[in-house]
Amino acid sequence: GIQVEQSPPDLILQEGANSTLRCNFSDSVNNLQWFHQNPWGQLINLFYIPSGTKQNGRLSATTVATERYSLLYISSSQTTDSGVYFCAVSPPQGAQKLVFGQGTRLTINP
Amino acid sequence: SAVISQKPSRDICQRGTSLTIQCQVDSQVTMMFWYRQQPGQSLTLIATANQGSEATYESGFVIDKFPISRPNLTFSTLTVSNMSPEDSSIYLCSYRGQNIQYFGAGTRLSVL
Repeated sequence: GIQVEQSPPDLILQEGANSTLRCNFSDSVNNLQWFHQNPWGQLINLFYIPSGTKQNGRLSATTVATERYSLLYISSSQTTDSGVYFCAVSPPQGAQKLVFGQGTRLTINP
Repeated sequence: SAVISQKPSRDICQRGTSLTIQCQVDSQVTMMFWYRQQPGQSLTLIATANQGSEATYESGFVIDKFPISRPNLTFSTLTVSNMSPEDSSIYLCSYRGQNIQYFGAGTRLSVL
């Protein structure tokens, strides 16, 4: 099945710093989403981005489908950005099934 | 987006017992999904539940261990049967609406 790799696995930054999280996937996809899991375990969708670029406030994401990767950018980090960021994809034959990467654990220190 | 409610939010159970987790969505959805997140790990799909048919299980998950009901378009249950400490995880229900996946708050299960 499709493989999803995220890097880095862990990232520790000071408040105000910028960061880039990467997601590589091994096959074509018809759905790609980025999620934030807060320290209480709640998963929140950040972006639906199977291709192209989107921005939402301090967050933006870019997916280059032909090269099978996606990037999540976080600018001017705040302590509330801490948590685990997951990339998840659906292969074309997988209907609505989502395959998750292992996540990037982001810690923002004040 | 529809609101997903899960209960219980957490439970501590003895090995050998079973726990049923309920998931309620406040609007009708075609497919509901059950995921497991083991401690410190990512999410893994257990099964997809359609109303009126048997759930479709992913490799490594079987109906005898994780029976699922889907009696209508707004409700589903997942039972974790004959539990062992290895079943200690967060269990999450989910649906997709307009390409976006929505998740309940999860059920944190600890098995002693």
